[in-house]
Amino acid sequence: RKEVEQDPGPFNVPEGATVAFNCTYSNSASQSFFWYRQDCRKEPKLLMSVYSSGNEDGRFTAQLNRASQYISLLIRDSKLSDSATYLCAVIPTGGFKTIFGAGTRLFVKA
Amino acid sequence: SAVISQKPSRDICQRGTSLTIQCQVDSQVTMMFWYRQQPGQSLTLIATANQGSEATYESGFVIDKFPISRPNLTFSTLTVSNMSPEDSSIYLCSVEGRQGGETQYFGPGTRLLVL
Repeated sequence: RKEVEQDPGPFNVPEGATVAFNCTYSNSASQSFFWYRQDCRKEPKLLMSVYSSGNEDGRFTAQLNRASQYISLLIRDSKLSDSATYLCAVIPTGGFKTIFGAGTRLFVKA
Repeated sequence: SAVISQKPSRDICQRGTSLTIQCQVDSQVTMMFWYRQQPGQSLTLIATANQGSEATYESGFVIDKFPISRPNLTFSTLTVSNMSPEDSSIYLCSVEGRQGGETQYFGPGTRLLVL
């Protein structure tokens, strides 16, 4: 079983739609969680950290469910510019190495 | 955020040759990381490079194949040795956020094609 698993998609949604991605992790002792965004042929960039209480940044909402060992990313009112691959990332407790999922591809259509 | 540059941005190489990738950061950082990303795959950590000590390699990666240098706190190199077509990939260096944060910042990557 992979340490971090994501649905690879692709998700094809129209502009304005709401879309949600889930990511599961296998190490229950993981301490830190993130979502990164990777545009085509570009490097990954941090989108947002994921806190236990959940957090929101504009149209983006991230949530953590420790009991079920998954994190989620909700994008509301999708824009064409949201088209990208979204990578979830996890750091195990006491560790410093970030473990990345393979990413979920999102295509937002006009 | 850190500003990271990599050279070369891309290369096409013959099998059996070696390529050295350079990573330069605009500020001093303790830890630098080298990743490989194959098409449609996740980022796979190759090794962690600390200044003044040997790099720490992940399972499946060895120093003879991927020698790493870290001469100072702003620079590192990764060499892909005796290349084969299976080494065709994107190689990315990354650093921790400032103040030792857990987030990571990535260089633009080096696209390598081995014929």
